[in-house]
Amino acid sequence: DIQMTQSPSSLSASVGDRVTITCRAIQTISTYLNWYQHKPGRAPKLLIFGASTLQSGVPSRFSGSGSGTDFTLTISSLQTEDFATYYCQQSYSSPRITFGQGTRLEI
Amino acid sequence: QLQLQESGPGLVKPSETLSLTCNVSGGSISSNAHYWGWIRQPPGRGLEWIGNIYFTGNSYYSPSLKSRVAISVDKSKNQFSLRLTSVTAADTALYYCARLRTFGGVFETWGQGTLVTVSS
Repeated sequence: DIQMTQSPSSLSASVGDRVTITCRAIQTISTYLNWYQHKPGRAPKLLIFGASTLQSGVPSRFSGSGSGTDFTLTISSLQTEDFATYYCQQSYSSPRITFGQGTRLEI
Repeated sequence: QLQLQESGPGLVKPSETLSLTCNVSGGSISSNAHYWGWIRQPPGRGLEWIGNIYFTGNSYYSPSLKSRVAISVDKSKNQFSLRLTSVTAADTALYYCARLRTFGGVFETWGQGTLVTVSS
């Protein structure tokens, strides 16, 4: 299976900060990379698919980039509601799926 | 609007079989544009993909769980199910069912999750 590694595993930031989370694949996955936001007690929410396409309804402060093996999720100006755990997920080998280990974004 | 709802026992004894069902409403499980999957989150840990199934019955599993897991689909009831055998405490987790869009391989709709504890 295709291993995905996120960094950092946790991140402390403040409202208004710009933050970047990185995801790296063990092999090239083109742009078959998706990002989810997960808050305690709630279902994960799709933010970005195809490495850079914003899911409908997701605020424009979220953006994604990358191709091949290296990808980033950027939040341009953190809002209170953005504090959550973020996961990358490769779909290159779909329907065989792999998630990254997650990045916990804390105040 | 598509909704997914997990159901099943919240407590399973070690060495026994965990069985969960995901009821699909507001859409057909026979969609040719989607797979149906199970994902879990152990306490304090990240999301782990368990497996996916197509309405035809073709299934795909995580290599780490493949020997113990089976996912099935019941088109007449518009639901799909998870069976995990020989469970241990390491299988204690919040279990989610979700719909995977074949285009792009994204989990676009999720259930709310159900907690399963493995304990005697």
